[in-house]
Amino acid sequence: NAGVTQTPKFRVLKTGQSMTLLCAQDMNHEYMYWYRQDPGMGLRLIHYSVGEGTTAKGEVPDGYNVSRLKKQNFLLGLESAAPSQTSVYFCASSYSWDFLPYEQYFGPGTRLTVT
Amino acid sequence: SQQGEEDPQALSIQEGENATMNCSYKTSINNLQWYRQNSGRGLVHLILIRSNEREKHSGRLRVTLDTSKKSSSLLITASRAADTASYFCATDKDGNKLVFGAGTILRVKS
Repeated sequence: NAGVTQTPKFRVLKTGQSMTLLCAQDMNHEYMYWYRQDPGMGLRLIHYSVGEGTTAKGEVPDGYNVSRLKKQNFLLGLESAAPSQTSVYFCASSYSWDFLPYEQYFGPGTRLTVT
Repeated sequence: SQQGEEDPQALSIQEGENATMNCSYKTSINNLQWYRQNSGRGLVHLILIRSNEREKHSGRLRVTLDTSKKSSSLLITASRAADTASYFCATDKDGNKLVFGAGTILRVKS
């Protein structure tokens, strides 16, 4: 099993450009998450999904959109990139039991720089 | 806002010594989890402890939870150079979302 994979690994964008980050998991997990990690801040939740076709806002959702058209994929979009979105982005997934999620499995991250 | 706060921010020890990291949080939780992150990599889950549990072990790891003090500790015994990493606590209060602390950077010198 590949676990959680993220595409691309690195990206440089100019202010105002758009892009989509792709997350894929092969563990049949219901829950998927997008986080950003900035120096000294730990991880902050951007958006998450509790199942195919569902999405919900996390702690820092502004400037991002997400879609979960297939259970195994969770896409994070930046419509108009800003320098404040320079960060490392992590995708994660988790299984659930009795509608409660368990530990999360993380992808390797995408390092995004917006100039 | 960060729910969990780790202490210390950084810790440097010799191989073979024990390492203790603490986490404090602000509101009631369903569970608390500890993760490890090696430099430039994704996070790896270590232990999940539920709010009705007080202690949990996994190999050289021991986690305690004191809900009355809203705190948790992670103990790594007989540390190895390979334990060098950042360690994060994360709290789950509503069953869907984790809130991470800023982490403790552990350096184990050989």
